[in-house]
Order: sequence, then structure tokens, then C-alpha cells
Amino acid sequence: DVKVTQSSRYLVKRTGEKVFLECVQDMDHENMFWYRQDPGLGLRLIYFSYDVKMKEKGDIPEGYSVSREKKERFSLILESASTNQTSMYLCASRTGGNEQFFGPGTRLTVL
Amino acid sequence: GQQLNQSPQSMFIQEGEDVSMNCTSSSIFNTWLWYKQDPGEGPVLLIALYKAGELTSNGRLTAQFGITRKDSFLNISASIPSDVGIYFCAPLTSGSRLTFGEGTQLTVNP
Repeated sequence: DVKVTQSSRYLVKRTGEKVFLECVQDMDHENMFWYRQDPGLGLRLIYFSYDVKMKEKGDIPEGYSVSREKKERFSLILESASTNQTSMYLCASRTGGNEQFFGPGTRLTVL
Repeated sequence: GQQLNQSPQSMFIQEGEDVSMNCTSSSIFNTWLWYKQDPGEGPVLLIALYKAGELTSNGRLTAQFGITRKDSFLNISASIPSDVGIYFCAPLTSGSRLTFGEGTQLTVNP
């Protein structure tokens, strides 16, 4: 079974803090994705990566950056967290097919 | 940019009832996926549709890829309490990216 794990299920941070969200997959997938999920808006793509050290902007990259130093790990970074970044963050990975496998999500609250 | 509309936004049904939800788009797609998200979990793939006009079944689930390639629907027959969750359509866009609909929140009353 594919397993995608995220470092925290719940996280509370203060405005201005630097926040790291970690995602690890164990199936040697090339592609990894970060989404945020907000009620009524579905899942929106923040960043994705096709390979180690490669990254591409998604639909809403502003305020975020990413890092992919190893194939199995894809990190989402909020350089200076703001209250409008309070959301559910979902990581996914994919191999050559179309299916993306999702982690359980991190619910981030920025106070 | 493309517009993707999923409806209804929410449904409240009794156990045993059938459910229908759909997605429409202003753009043409060659692949439609349907995902389900259980409470507190990440989405999981239910059904993938690769051919316009194709009707695909998976147990109590039936999904169709519209002939115009701009729409898709998902039906659930004889709903049960574990069908509760959020259902997303997700057509495949350029670069193998998925675009997700707004989601349909399904509540099933026993």
C-alpha cells in the first residue's frame, strides 16, 4: 500500500512565524504535490514537484515556498505565516499514472 | 481559465436512498477522476474515467464521462452511513495536474 505521511495532524502557529509542513511518501514516486483545502473551494494546488530539486508553481503559490532535497520528502514552507493561511493542507504523490495518493492532512491554525 | 462547477454543494439523505452529483466545465478534458474524502482523512480515488461517453461502475458507484467531455456525474445507489464524506470530481489538466471541484458534502441519516 502507498503511504503518504504528514508530520502533524494539527498545528497552531502565530502570525509572522516560519512554518514547515513535512510530507514523506514511501513508494518512490516522482511527483509530489501540496494543496490547501478550504470549505466551498475544493482543493487548490500550491506547488508541485516532478523530481528532486525541481519545483513548479501551482495556482496559489503566493506566500509559500517548497523544498525537495530527497525524492521521498516534499516540504511546504510558510516564510511568515498569516491568518489567511489558516487551512487544511494536503500532500499527495503520484507515479506514472493519473492517481494521486493523499496524506491525512495537516490542519493549520494561524493566530 | 477553466471553470469547474460541482453540484450540489451538500446533500442530506436517508439511508437507502440513491445519490447523484455532477461536475460541469467550460473546458474539454480527456480524463475525469472522482475522489472521496472521509472525515479527518485525505481524499481517496473512487473511479477513473478515460473515454467520452464511458459509464463505469464500482460496486454501488456508477460514474459517467459526458460525451461532450465537459461534464461527468457520479451516482451512489442504496446509500449507507459509511458513504458520508466529501466527494470531489477531478479532471486531469495539462501536465498531469488535477483540478478539483468544490466538493459535495454528503450526509446519510440512518
